Amino acid sequence: QQPVQSPQAVILREGEDAVINCSSSKALYSVHWYRQKHGEAPVFLMILLKGGEQKGHEKISASFNEKKQQSSLYLTASQLSYSGTYFCGTGGTSYGKLTFGQGTILTVHP
Amino acid sequence: DADVTQTPRNRITKTGKRIMLECSQTKGHDRMYWYRQDPGLGLRLIYYSFDVKDINKGEISDGYSVSRQAQAKFSLSLESAIPNQTALYFCATSDPGTGESEQYFGPGTRLTVT
Repeated sequence: QQPVQSPQAVILREGEDAVINCSSSKALYSVHWYRQKHGEAPVFLMILLKGGEQKGHEKISASFNEKKQQSSLYLTASQLSYSGTYFCGTGGTSYGKLTFGQGTILTVHP
Repeated sequence: DADVTQTPRNRITKTGKRIMLECSQTKGHDRMYWYRQDPGLGLRLIYYSFDVKDINKGEISDGYSVSRQAQAKFSLSLESAIPNQTALYFCATSDPGTGESEQYFGPGTRLTVT
């Protein structure tokens, strides 16, 4: 079952902050975050692992609540380049196999 | 040169035709994946392979088959294409390393079945 992302879409002005949430009905061992710009392939942003380890983009921050089976991506002081669709991918007991959410469309205006 | 390549990039085919989408990678990764993307549905896993002899079905494998010809090549076939297989298809790779690692996506193949 796909994780649920919220909101489905968000519109910001440059410099504003946004939070994108990802919620799963299954126990999670990892959460990945990717950004996809229109007409391009998804690009890796961050991995959060059970136990607290994180790997990824220096300017992106995220949290992983294992008990609530939720993750949030924090985009602060947004830039025009942040525009795109953000996907979370959740990992269970099988390493390397992800289930992606439906995506959150982020639009940043000047 | 791109690390993960997909051919063709665009394809229009007719209902009932057999079609193959190809994926090649130069990253030396063991794990390869095929996803399809539909508006509002995100990325859904079709098949994945953790090495040449290991192939597994994903969430939506019906109507698709795959072949892992070598570590670097993973092909997706539609035996008899139907219009609801019209979608954007992505291949991805990852390195098992110590467990979880990022996935690297190819540029995608836009398939239209008429």
